[in-house]
Amino acid sequence: AQTVTQSQPEMSVQEAETVTLSCTYDTSESDYYLFWYKQPPSRQMILVIRQEAYKQQNATENRFSVNFQKAAKSFSLKISDSQLGDAAMYFCAHLIQGAQKLVFGQGTRLTINP
Amino acid sequence: NAGVMQNPRHLVRRRGQEARLRCSPMKGHSHVYWYRQLPEEGLKFMVYLQKENIIDESGMPKERFSAEFPKEGPSILRIQQVVRGDSAAYFCASSARVETQYFGPGTRLLVL
Repeated sequence: AQTVTQSQPEMSVQEAETVTLSCTYDTSESDYYLFWYKQPPSRQMILVIRQEAYKQQNATENRFSVNFQKAAKSFSLKISDSQLGDAAMYFCAHLIQGAQKLVFGQGTRLTINP
Repeated sequence: NAGVMQNPRHLVRRRGQEARLRCSPMKGHSHVYWYRQLPEEGLKFMVYLQKENIIDESGMPKERFSAEFPKEGPSILRIQQVVRGDSAAYFCASSARVETQYFGPGTRLLVL
């Protein structure tokens, strides 16, 4: 069965600093996708970044980048130049090719200190 | 291009009543998914639908819950005879292809 584990319930970072959120997953499949979603206090789920497992290059979206280690089944999110608006719950999610259902981790609450 | 629309945003029901949650996918999206989020937890998959078809309902409780995505109109998640344990946020997502799902703002259901 698919599982996604986020081992950091809470993280905090100073504004303008860099923070890394951890995520590990377990799957026996070779074709899959990984995502980071952000859930601010409004509780809207916002897609931050996505990674295809077949791509070796790590995905990047502006200040957000991932470190995808397929052999280790690790998918961490790095946020550079942290901003107050980055404060939110961050969820890592896994999607098996052809399965259509996202499996989410428990979430990491990120606080940005001014 | 409007995002995924959900209504109502907040719904209060008494035990035993029915709850109907609506979801309109993004324009051009034919895949709809429903997820449930309990307080302080991640989202849990409930059901995946395409127009007029339930593709995967492996996350749906066996009783009281049903979902549909008719040829015309929004997708509906229906909960009959609600109980306090049904109180949660219910999120709908849609996708054009199966890889990337975009979420609506959610419906917060409170059962008194």
